[in-house]
Amino acid sequence: AQTVTQSQPEMSVQEAETVTLSCTYDTSESNYYLFWYKQPPSRQMILVIRQEAYKQQNATENRFSVNFQKAAKSFSLKISDSQLGDTAMYFCAFWGSQGNLIFGKGTKLSVKP
Amino acid sequence: DSGVTQTPKHLITATGQRVTLRCSPRSGDLSVYWYQQSLDQGLQFLIQYYNGEERAKGNILERFSAQQFPDLHSELNLSSLELGDSALYFCASSLENSLTQYFGPGTRLTVL
Repeated sequence: AQTVTQSQPEMSVQEAETVTLSCTYDTSESNYYLFWYKQPPSRQMILVIRQEAYKQQNATENRFSVNFQKAAKSFSLKISDSQLGDTAMYFCAFWGSQGNLIFGKGTKLSVKP
Repeated sequence: DSGVTQTPKHLITATGQRVTLRCSPRSGDLSVYWYQQSLDQGLQFLIQYYNGEERAKGNILERFSAQQFPDLHSELNLSSLELGDSALYFCASSLENSLTQYFGPGTRLTVL
């Protein structure tokens, strides 16, 4: 069975700094997709970024980028120029042949002024 | 705003009762997913419907059931409620069997 592990329960970063959130996963599949979702205090789940496993190029969305290491089964999220609005829970998620998202436990990120 | 709507926003009920949560997917999305988010279990997949038919099942209790109607809205029915069923219930939708799921705002269920 696939598992997703986020080893950092909480992190903090100063405004305008860069922070990296870690995620590792376990799967025997070769074709899958990985996602980062953000859950601010409003509780809404917001898609941040997605990565296809067959693509070697790391996905980027504005200030958000990933470091996808397929062999190491690692999928970290880098947030550049952190903003107060980035304060949220961040969930790493895996999608494979089972056809649904498997989420990690989340990392609570606090951006401090 | 993801385009996915869920009602009600909050629901408070007693143990042993039955409730129905409603979800309307984004326009054009055929797949609907239900998730439960609780403090101890995290975010867990419950069930998926695609164009009216059950497509995948996750950690859904037998006391829970769901359906997707011809207009593609979905309902999650929770019966014989227990204190441990208190959680945030999310609905998500996606285009056909696309991998990107868009989440609704959730329904906060409190069982007293």
